[in-house]
Amino acid sequence: GENVEQHPSTLSVQEGDSAVIKCTYSDSASNYFPWYKQELGKGPQLIIDIRSNVGEKKDQRIAVTLNKTAKHFSLHITETQPEDSAVYFCAASSTSGTYKYIFGTGTRLKVLA
Amino acid sequence: DAGVIQSPRHEVTEMGQEVTLRCKPISGHNSLFWYRQTMMRGLELLIYFNNNVPIDDSGMPEDRFSAKMPNASFSTLKIQPSEPRDSAVYFCASTRDFYTDTQYFGPGTRLTVL
Repeated sequence: GENVEQHPSTLSVQEGDSAVIKCTYSDSASNYFPWYKQELGKGPQLIIDIRSNVGEKKDQRIAVTLNKTAKHFSLHITETQPEDSAVYFCAASSTSGTYKYIFGTGTRLKVLA
Repeated sequence: DAGVIQSPRHEVTEMGQEVTLRCKPISGHNSLFWYRQTMMRGLELLIYFNNNVPIDDSGMPEDRFSAKMPNASFSTLKIQPSEPRDSAVYFCASTRDFYTDTQYFGPGTRLTVL
């Protein structure tokens, strides 16, 4: 069935360094890829998304890249700050078929001051 | 703009009791999703509605779970009877257009069944 694998499960970086989280999807029909940030005790919040017609999207310190051939996409956070510490989830969905989000298992990012 | 509103934020109940979780989607959104989050299973989609109609309830774990959406601004998820293994955080999410995908999540209800 449809599956999204996310790595790593935990990631610790020094403040100011970059962090990269990678996801791989199985459904070749997937064409929408959102990333969510979940802070303790809160719901997931959309931070960036990308559609399959582009290869990269950037929003200030956050960027997402997509490789459709390899069926993987990545979240890049530059100049990390302590407030970036959270759990990050990737997801994949298709605008044909079921439209469901298939979520990755999450990455706990810890930014060390 | 108000986001997705869920109530209660925390619920503690005893095994066998009925539990009702509530959700108000973002105004103007016509699709609504119920998720469950646990450490073991991550985020699981339970059911989703489009224009108040349930589209897919294949994620509902058992007949003890039921969901309704009587109008565009309100949905409930009911568990009857509740069991300790139902303890989890339940999220509601909504989207403006079922086909454009971006889902916005509420703050969640943390359910503890003793």
